[in-house]
This record gives sequence, C-alpha cells and structure tokens, in this order.
Amino acid sequence: EAGVAQSPRYKIIEKRQSVAFWCNPISGHATLYWYQQILGQGPKLLIQFQNNGVVDDSQLPKDRFSAERLKGVDSTLKIQPAKLEDSAVYLCASTMLLSNTEAFFGQGTRLTVV
Amino acid sequence: SQKIEQNSEALNIQEGKTATLTCNYTNYSPAYLQWYRQDPGRGPVFLLLIRENEKEKRKERLKVTFDTTLKQSLFHITASQPADSATYLCALDMGNQGGKLIFGQGTELSVKP
Repeated sequence: EAGVAQSPRYKIIEKRQSVAFWCNPISGHATLYWYQQILGQGPKLLIQFQNNGVVDDSQLPKDRFSAERLKGVDSTLKIQPAKLEDSAVYLCASTMLLSNTEAFFGQGTRLTVV
Repeated sequence: SQKIEQNSEALNIQEGKTATLTCNYTNYSPAYLQWYRQDPGRGPVFLLLIRENEKEKRKERLKVTFDTTLKQSLFHITASQPADSATYLCALDMGNQGGKLIFGQGTELSVKP
C-alpha cells in the first residue's frame, strides 16, 4: 500500500515570497490533515479536511495561509507572503476514520524562509 | 486549553535496559492516547493507541499505560536496542474534535550499545 506522498521535500524561499506544498493521501482515506512542526516541537494542526470540506481550520493563520482539497483527494497548502517564523516542516497526514484511528504521515516538506 | 508535557530531557540508556517515557496532560482526559516514533527527516510513525477505559496495552517489546487519575501515560520499551533510538511523541485524541491530534513536544531516546 502506497503511503502519504508529499512534495517538494525541501524548499528555501525569501521572506515575502509565496510557496505551495502538495499532498496525496492514502487511497480511500477521507480525512486529511496539515500539521506544522517547528524544530524541537511536536506537530501542530493547521487544518483538517473531511473529503473536500474543512472540519477545523481554527489554528490556520488565514491572513497568509490557505489550503484546499478540491476533489476530496489530494491537497495543497499555500503560504503567501512567507515570514521567517514560517520556517518549519509541514506534514500531511491522512486517516481512514474520523477518530480512534492511527494517522499516516508523509515525510514532510522542510521550509526555510531566509 | 489542553497542555501536554513529555520528558523534557533526552533519555540515554544502555542497550538491553527498559526505556520509560512519560506523557502528562492537563485538563480533560482524552478518549484515546497515541504514541508515535519519529526519526530525523521523517514523518511520525504510529506505534500504539490506548483508550481511556484501558489501563495497559502491549505490542511486542512496547507497553503503554494510561492513568486518567494521574493524567499520565507511560511508554515502555523493553530490551531496548540501538535501533530504538528516535524521538517519541505522545498525542491526544479527545474523541470529539474530529480526530485531530494534540502532540507533546517529544522525547529523544538514545540507546547506546
């Protein structure tokens, strides 16, 4: 079974530039999450989708971050404009169920904002 | 809001010993508590899930306990091996928040031969 695919693996941009990350979850997983992991910390949820609808985006900085999952399968996360503090690993995860279930994570995209 | 504290210091142990990692939380007990392993440059990998009405769960050399009175979970790796060296993350699933996970900061475990 293929895992969660993310691209790119690494990205370096200057502050105020824009960047986009892509995620393809495990086939059949209706729930998709984007987490931000700052060095030395645990992942923090940014946004959660159930199929193509948003379940929770309460911690997404909406003035600069946006995400979509148009056909209920793959998803993109965008940052525009980027700030230095956005430097982190962006992890995509998917689950088969809404709760009481393991999450499958991709390898993440390491973003460095200079 | 829910706060989670894991061992703040890295844990260094000798091969063959038992590693014990701690996860403490405040406020309400989660419906489910999960443990993940994360290697450098990789995403977290699921290890074990324990429900609030379960006291203990085992899988091979791994054991998790869950004490809702103490608001604490302990994660044990018996007969530890250098290959067990990684960061271990505790995560809470409150059960009524759509499955989102609230993670601790992780504990780095180093097993020396």
